Amino acid sequence: QSVLTQPPSVSAAPGQKVTISCSGSSSNIGNNYVSWYQQLPGTAPKLLIYENNKRPSGIPDRFSGSKSGTSATLGITGLQTGDEADYYCGTWDSSLSSWVFGGGTKLAVL
Amino acid sequence: QVQLQESGPGLVKPSETLSLTCAVSGYSIISPYYWAWIRQPPGKGLEWIGTVYQTGSTYYNPSLKSRVTMSVDSSKNQFSLRLRSVTAADTAVYYCARGIATDGLQFNIYYFDYWGQGTQVTVSS
Repeated sequence: QSVLTQPPSVSAAPGQKVTISCSGSSSNIGNNYVSWYQQLPGTAPKLLIYENNKRPSGIPDRFSGSKSGTSATLGITGLQTGDEADYYCGTWDSSLSSWVFGGGTKLAVL
Repeated sequence: QVQLQESGPGLVKPSETLSLTCAVSGYSIISPYYWAWIRQPPGKGLEWIGTVYQTGSTYYNPSLKSRVTMSVDSSKNQFSLRLRSVTAADTAVYYCARGIATDGLQFNIYYFDYWGQGTQVTVSS
């Protein structure tokens, strides 16, 4: 059971928008930065969003991040079939003194 | 361009020690970055194992702390993981990664920006 809760799966049609939620508590999301990772099938995770809402160089602005209270959200607009992947949120948990990941969300672009 | 490459045995016997190395290229391991190990059991999510700094300071997942040792070899620009007394539950793809963190009043990792491609480790007799 992950400390951070994500929906197991989400789906949307090509060109549409989707959001993926990540719910935590005051000891993790509420007081620390959230980052998001994309894991394409058979590959290593890749940093998509850091410090809640910043995009690394090379990440298109179709990807966005936000945080409110003890929850964070990843948004993807203009969905492409190449966006089909597992998405993970992550943050530091001050109570556990440990980095924690969400359970992951599988995105299907139908 | 920063690159990380994991290496080590793909098969480890139960109760033995898993040993992996992550070679860093394109960037000095002696830098204000932290170096991490993260694993992913088959069909499951990601689990942070621990993080090491150039000084040798280590920060471990409490659930694995009693079995984990991480270290840095600056002469080879690499860092290592040792996981003792392994069981089948330790079967996973093991990733090394570069982390951005702060160690002021309290240690806190911000994110992981570069990852290795991962190496499969199977625990079986």
